[in-house]
Amino acid sequence: EAGVAQSPRYKIIEKRQSVAFWCNPISGHATLYWYQQILGQGPKLLIQFQNNGVVDDSQLPKDRFSAERLKGVDSTLKIQPAKLEDSAVYLCASSLAPTIGGGQYFGPGTRLLVL
Amino acid sequence: DAKTTQPPSMDCAEGRAANLPCNHSTISGNEYVYWYRQIHSQGPQYIIHGLKNNETNEMASLIITEDRKSSTLILPHATLRDTAVYYCIVESGSRLTFGEGTQLTVNP
Repeated sequence: EAGVAQSPRYKIIEKRQSVAFWCNPISGHATLYWYQQILGQGPKLLIQFQNNGVVDDSQLPKDRFSAERLKGVDSTLKIQPAKLEDSAVYLCASSLAPTIGGGQYFGPGTRLLVL
Repeated sequence: DAKTTQPPSMDCAEGRAANLPCNHSTISGNEYVYWYRQIHSQGPQYIIHGLKNNETNEMASLIITEDRKSSTLILPHATLRDTAVYYCIVESGSRLTFGEGTQLTVNP
């Protein structure tokens, strides 16, 4: 079975620019997650979708970050405008359902560098 | 969510068992213990989870103490490809709160 796909794999932008990341979850997975992983730290959940509805966005910096999952499949995460501290790896994960923790499948991530 | 404590790093010889400890002294009755690992430049990978009983799958074994305040992940025959950061997570819902994990280095 195909895994979680993310693009681009790498992105370099200047501060105050905008950037968008794309995620295609595993087929049939209703739950989709976006995580931010700063160098040397564990991933931090930004937002969780169940189909196309938001379940948890309590840790999403909503003044600059936005995410959508319009048809309950693919998702995009946008940062506008980017700050230096947004430099991180952005990981997308999916699971069949918002079941108890196990069974989240992660993509390879998008590595963002903000100059 | 309960906080977990893991050693920052461990070494293991190839072919030997790797035993990774995790303390979660404030765990509550409905919280599960999960283990994920992250190989360099990849996304995290689910390994195993448990509530009270010991669990085993094709990747590893999870030993949870009777009082549930600590657990140990066992990789029975570590290989070089098991070199990774291992995260112990305690959760009652679907959110995963990652700490800094243990960097396991398997040496030839």
